[in-house]
Amino acid sequence: DAGVIQSPRHEVTEMGQEVTLRCKPISGHNSLFWYRQTMMRGLELLIYFNNNVPIDDSGMPEDRFSAKMPNASFSTLKIQPSEPRDSAVYFCASNLREGHDTDTQYFGPGTRLTVL
Amino acid sequence: QKEVEQNSGPLSVPEGAIASLNCTYSDRVSQSFFWYRQYSGKSPELIMSIYSNGDKEDGRFTAQLNKASQYVSLLIRDSQPSDSATYLCAVEPGANNLFFGTGTRLTVIP
Repeated sequence: DAGVIQSPRHEVTEMGQEVTLRCKPISGHNSLFWYRQTMMRGLELLIYFNNNVPIDDSGMPEDRFSAKMPNASFSTLKIQPSEPRDSAVYFCASNLREGHDTDTQYFGPGTRLTVL
Repeated sequence: QKEVEQNSGPLSVPEGAIASLNCTYSDRVSQSFFWYRQYSGKSPELIMSIYSNGDKEDGRFTAQLNKASQYVSLLIRDSQPSDSATYLCAVEPGANNLFFGTGTRLTVIP
């Protein structure tokens, strides 16, 4: 299995520009998670989807952030407009959720975003 | 607010020693607990999960859980330089979402 795939791996952009991060979960997984990691705040859950439906977006910082999952094999996280404080590593993770059983979350390699 | 607290370290131990990593959490309804290891510049990877009070051993790793004290720990026996990484404690309150601590950086000195 190829694991969770994220693109791009690195993104440098200027303040005010739109940024789109992409994720392909592991085939067969039905839950997908977007996290942000910074030195100050650690790893924070932004949003997660179950069967392509957003379940909890309480971690999304503000309206500049949006996430979509149009199908089971693809998700995007968009920041518009971007700000320097959005600079972080963004991870996507996926797992198989069946009933109340919690499966291991597998993380992608991350996208390192720098907003100048 | 679901909080997970860890000592940020750095924690330094000599090769061959036992490394002890600790974590406390605030949400009493939490049912599942995880330890992830993250090497510098890499993504987190699961090394241990524990769901019941007591100890769970896997090779050189032992996870300990005390729900009454809201405390979970990870012991690494016979520490190796390859164990040098940041260890993240994660708590799942029952909705398939994880709350992570900020991590403890471990350095094993050869």
